[in-house]
Amino acid sequence: QKEVEQNSGPLSVPEGAIASLNCTYSDRGSQSFFWYRQYSGKSPELIMSIYSNGDKEDGRFTAQLNKASQYVSLLIRDSQPSDSATYLCAVYMIKAAGNKLTFGGGTRVLVKP
Amino acid sequence: ETGVTQSPTHLIKTRGQQVTLRCSSQSGHNTVSWYQQALGQGPQFIFQYYREEENGRGNFPPRFSGLQFPNYSSELNVNALELDDSALYLCASSTDGASTDTQYFGPGTRLTVL
Repeated sequence: QKEVEQNSGPLSVPEGAIASLNCTYSDRGSQSFFWYRQYSGKSPELIMSIYSNGDKEDGRFTAQLNKASQYVSLLIRDSQPSDSATYLCAVYMIKAAGNKLTFGGGTRVLVKP
Repeated sequence: ETGVTQSPTHLIKTRGQQVTLRCSSQSGHNTVSWYQQALGQGPQFIFQYYREEENGRGNFPPRFSGLQFPNYSSELNVNALELDDSALYLCASSTDGASTDTQYFGPGTRLTVL
């Protein structure tokens, strides 16, 4: 089982619709969760961080965290063609060998005009 | 722009060679993490340096080694290069490596091993 799992996609979304991305993680003790966006050929850039159960909204983005279910999601409202990218879920894990930020494989999102 | 810089941008090496990649952290950051990202995959954690000490390591062999300098810049060294080492190498800096700390990524170094 991978430590952080995401559907690889592609997730095809019409312009103006809501894109819903999901992520599950294996380490029940994880406390910090991040969503990064990565355009092709570029490095990841932070969209949102979330640390507590519930929803966190920032502009068109909403992150949702459910620690009991070990599940974190990202909603993109009013999707735009410029949102077409790979979205990476990252979980900060506390390990005996050293703490580390663990990434999922990413979900590719395509927003069609 | 995050203020994290990496050099070189691209690099081509042959199997068995050694390579050094460099990273300058964002001003005020004392922690640098290195990641390897193969095509179509998420970044894989290599190791982290906090105030010049290694502060965690992923599942990478000892031929992957690093350094952090007093100005908090960092190097990643890879010896005995293998074809599978071809990837995008990312460094990320953060304030102090805490769990709530956001990691800001540099533009990456694309390494090709022939």
